[in-house]
Amino acid sequence: NAGVTQTPKFRVLKTGQSMTLLCAQDMNHEYMYWYRQDPGMGLRLIHYSVGEGTTAKGEVPDGYNVSRLKKQNFLLGLESAAPSQTSVYFCASSENRGQSYNEQFFGPGTRLTVL
Amino acid sequence: AQKVTQAQTEISVVEKEDVTLDCVYETRDTTYYLFWYKQPPSGELVFLIRRNSFDEQNEISGRYSWNFQKSTSSFNFTITASQVVDSAVYFCALSEPLGANNLFFGTGTRLTVIP
Repeated sequence: NAGVTQTPKFRVLKTGQSMTLLCAQDMNHEYMYWYRQDPGMGLRLIHYSVGEGTTAKGEVPDGYNVSRLKKQNFLLGLESAAPSQTSVYFCASSENRGQSYNEQFFGPGTRLTVL
Repeated sequence: AQKVTQAQTEISVVEKEDVTLDCVYETRDTTYYLFWYKQPPSGELVFLIRRNSFDEQNEISGRYSWNFQKSTSSFNFTITASQVVDSAVYFCALSEPLGANNLFFGTGTRLTVIP
């Protein structure tokens, strides 16, 4: 049981390049999330998904796109990377058990640098 | 709108001292959940505790304890007899009551325990 995994762990891009970050979870969770973590700002939600085939915007969605074609995978895309997107990206997943809230389980993070 | 404030950016203590990390939150919801996560130097996020807005009972887990006070909108975290392994960044977070359980994180408190 690997939990939440992220690929790649590190990446360096040049301004204008594109890339996709892959998040995979093997816990059969309905909900998945992408966050970015910047120094002094905590984690901020980029996009999230409440199930296969659905996505929604979070707090800081501009410059990113996402897709959830399979329940276990949540992809984060940068179409034209900018230096402001230099950050550590975390994926998370959680169950959906109706009214009761469930904690989010986080992946190890992807450190992205845009030059 | 939800907001979490962790006013202490960095704290240093000597091993075996007790330390309290402060968390103050803002929400208009009557039902909500509060969380603490630990981020050790390795970078992953580790879930520590969840508390719902209807349960103000303090919780103790080993050397960790949490004090939830709705009257002051605070959810403080105390580590008793701190150890070097407690050195990490600690995040307090607040959830939405409905929908996708999105989390709003504070900016974190970096705790350094000096041997």
